[in-house]
Amino acid sequence: DAKTTQPPSMDCAEGRAANLPCNHSTISGNEYVYWYRQIHSQGPQYIIHGLKNNETNEMASLIITEDRKSSTLILPHATLRDTAVYYCIVSAPRGAQKLVFGQGTRLTINP
Amino acid sequence: EAEVAQSPRYKITEKSQAVAFWCDPISGHATLYWYRQILGQGPELLVQFQDESVVDDSQLPKDRFSAERLKGVDSTLKIQPAELGDSAMYLCASSLAASGSSGNEQFFGPGTRLTVL
Repeated sequence: DAKTTQPPSMDCAEGRAANLPCNHSTISGNEYVYWYRQIHSQGPQYIIHGLKNNETNEMASLIITEDRKSSTLILPHATLRDTAVYYCIVSAPRGAQKLVFGQGTRLTINP
Repeated sequence: EAEVAQSPRYKITEKSQAVAFWCDPISGHATLYWYRQILGQGPELLVQFQDESVVDDSQLPKDRFSAERLKGVDSTLKIQPAELGDSAMYLCASSLAASGSSGNEQFFGPGTRLTVL
């Protein structure tokens, strides 16, 4: 699985959009980009995933560059409850594959 | 909403003792994973089951760790004997996807925090 690089920490004001970057320059053509987050003392929570098109769900939007070497997770209106560690993971296309977690980005939402 | 259940939530034990953790995945999920998360790091896969069969246990320290999923539903992870370095959060996850299918959304339980003294 391709390796990902994320900033170790970010801050965002409550109510503003939080934009979390991820570099995955060695991604293969058929690998997906997944985002999970982990709120303190809880298990990781799935947010969104995509292959090459931009994706949006009720939690977030995922923007993948045309060359697929990087992506951005967008939380459109961040709340205090969005404070968590966010993991960007690249995974093989077939189901039932293990997730290889990096260090993630610690996002702090400030009031 | 269906959830992955784990017990106990917290376990304190002395080194050389045996400990066991239990996981009940979401009903109908064929794949079950056990991850270990050391403080300050991301989770790392220990073992993956497809129904009752082990698919990947390459990172499981087999001299002291064992895992089973006898009927392809719930699962138990055991450590015997526990060592100081085993102190960590042990996370169970399940997914609907089977090998070869598309999608890999994994649902995680709350974890068991193990402290070895």
